[in-house]
Formats: sequence, C-alpha cells, structure tokens
Amino acid sequence: GQNIDQPTEMTATEGAIVQINCTYQTSGFNGLFWYQQHAGEAPTFLSYNVLDGLEEKGRFSSFLSRSKGYSYLLLKELQMKDSASYLCAVRDGDYKLSFGAGTTVTVRA
Amino acid sequence: ETGVTQTPRHLVMGMTNKKSLKCEQHLGHNAMYWYKQSAKKPLELMFVYNFKEQTENNSVPSRFSPECPNSSHLFLHLHTLQPEDSALYLCASSQATGGQETQYFGPGTRLLVL
Repeated sequence: GQNIDQPTEMTATEGAIVQINCTYQTSGFNGLFWYQQHAGEAPTFLSYNVLDGLEEKGRFSSFLSRSKGYSYLLLKELQMKDSASYLCAVRDGDYKLSFGAGTTVTVRA
Repeated sequence: ETGVTQTPRHLVMGMTNKKSLKCEQHLGHNAMYWYKQSAKKPLELMFVYNFKEQTENNSVPSRFSPECPNSSHLFLHLHTLQPEDSALYLCASSQATGGQETQYFGPGTRLLVL
C-alpha cells in the first residue's frame, strides 16, 4: 500500500518561517504535489515536484529528494491567512494521487 | 474560483433516503474524480473517469453509484447510506497530458447521514 506521513499540527508566529515535512513510501513515483486547504473550502494547488531539488514560488518553496522519499513545503514570512491544512500527495501512476492526512498550520499574531 | 462547482454544499439524509451529488467542471478537462475526506484522515480516492469512462473503482461499496454523462459533469448517487459515510465529498478534474496533470478540486459537499 501507499504510506505518506506528515505532522498533524504545527504552530508558528506571524512573519516567521515554517517547514512542513512529508515522507512517502509508494509503489511508484510520478510527481509530488502540495495543496492548501482552508477550513470548509476546496484544496488548492500550491506546488509540484517531479525532479530533485527546490521549486520556489513567491513565499512558498517545495523541495524533493526522490532517493530519500522526502519532501518539504517551506512557508516564509507567514501571514494569518496562511493558517490552513497543507496536504502532501504523491502520484504513483498515470493520474492516481495518494494523499497524506494533512498538516494543520496555525499562525499566531 | 477553481472552475469546479459542486451542489449541494451541505446535505443531511436518513439511511433510507436516495440523494445525488453533482459536480460540474468549466475547465475543459477530460478526467474527473470523486474523493471522500473524513476528519483527520487522508483524502480517499473513490472513482475516476477518463473521457467519460470509469477507469477506477477503489473498492467503494455499491451504495455509492457514480455517473458521468459527459466530460463536464459527474454525479454521485447515494442510496441506503450508513452513519460512517458522513464526510466531505470532493470532486476534482484534470487534463490528461502525461506531464504534471494537476487536479483541481471543487468546494465539496458536507454529508451527514443520520
């Protein structure tokens, strides 16, 4: 089966940096996605990694190491609106995504 | 606005009721998905349709019946559900490109089975 692990909760202060780790053990690998989901809303796409290394997109960056089965999402200059659940998902075939349970990030003033 | 809409947003039903969830995507995609999201659990893939053909049924009980009349619309028909089926049901769509193929999600239907 697929196994995707990420911390359940994290708390950080406004303006700070938070790193959300994701480790995975899947039968195949065809890319890793990060989604953001605010309470009661749709998950929205944040980033995609298929090759090793860092992808930067404004305040958000995502890193992948395929040999280690590891990714992280880095949130910089945290804002209150960044309080949300962050979902790590691995595509192990043509289209099928396997999701982690999500990390709830709480940003405090 | 993600281009994927779902109705109703909230639904309460008894175990003997029949109801349907509707999803519509306005993105011109050729693949659509149903997911179940329960509290503190990962999203669970239920069904996948590619070009209106069902390509995945992830061991879902027969009390859930999907229908995809065209590439823009997807339904989930519900019949004699159980209280443990209470969850957020999310629809998603994507364009099969062989590359990144990002899935875009609707806002979900919050279902409560009494």
